[in-house]
Amino acid sequence: TQLLEQSPQFLSIQEGENLTVYCNSSSVFSSLQWYRQEPGEGPVLLVTVVTGGEVKKLKRLTFQFGDARKDSSLHITAAQPGDTGLYLCAGAPTGRRALTFGSGTRLQVQP
Amino acid sequence: SAVISQKPSRDICQRGTSLTIQCQVDSQVTMMFWYRQQPGQSLTLIATANQGSEATYESGFVIDKFPISRPNLTFSTLTVSNMSPEDSSIYLCSVLVRQNTGELFFGEGSRLTVL
Repeated sequence: TQLLEQSPQFLSIQEGENLTVYCNSSSVFSSLQWYRQEPGEGPVLLVTVVTGGEVKKLKRLTFQFGDARKDSSLHITAAQPGDTGLYLCAGAPTGRRALTFGSGTRLQVQP
Repeated sequence: SAVISQKPSRDICQRGTSLTIQCQVDSQVTMMFWYRQQPGQSLTLIATANQGSEATYESGFVIDKFPISRPNLTFSTLTVSNMSPEDSSIYLCSVLVRQNTGELFFGEGSRLTVL
């Protein structure tokens, strides 16, 4: 059983569409992070959310941390082919330094 | 951020052999981690590489199969021993860049194929 479950697992959409990716857990996290990984590369950090209820915007990407700090979402507005990749949420369980990664959401944006 | 170099970037190996992956960081870092990413999957933590002492392994990973060295604060190696096709994965070295939030910086990974 994954500590962090992401949905959907796969998403194929047309350029210009909006989408939301969810990251859920039964555990509380002091912070959650979102990474994007492209083929042949390591994951790259997009954002860290720290405060329950926090909303962060990064251009067309909006990240939200749940009030109870057990879940997070990533919303992409007007998706572009350059958004294609594997999106991963990650967090460190209480008392741990190492990150646990979510199950991942593979996004394909068709031109 | 940090610049992380991993070698080899990819390799094809025969069953039963061993391969050592190197991870070099351009600055001293406190914590280094090794992750595995099986085909089409997310990342799974193998171990925390501790400088000057034995690595801390996660459940399901053992030192005999994945020996790790970390002789100093900028370098680590991961060996995949007695390989089988099930070991075909991307192996990723990462370093902790922000301690309070656990943010990681990753190398580009080493793609291993075992025949």
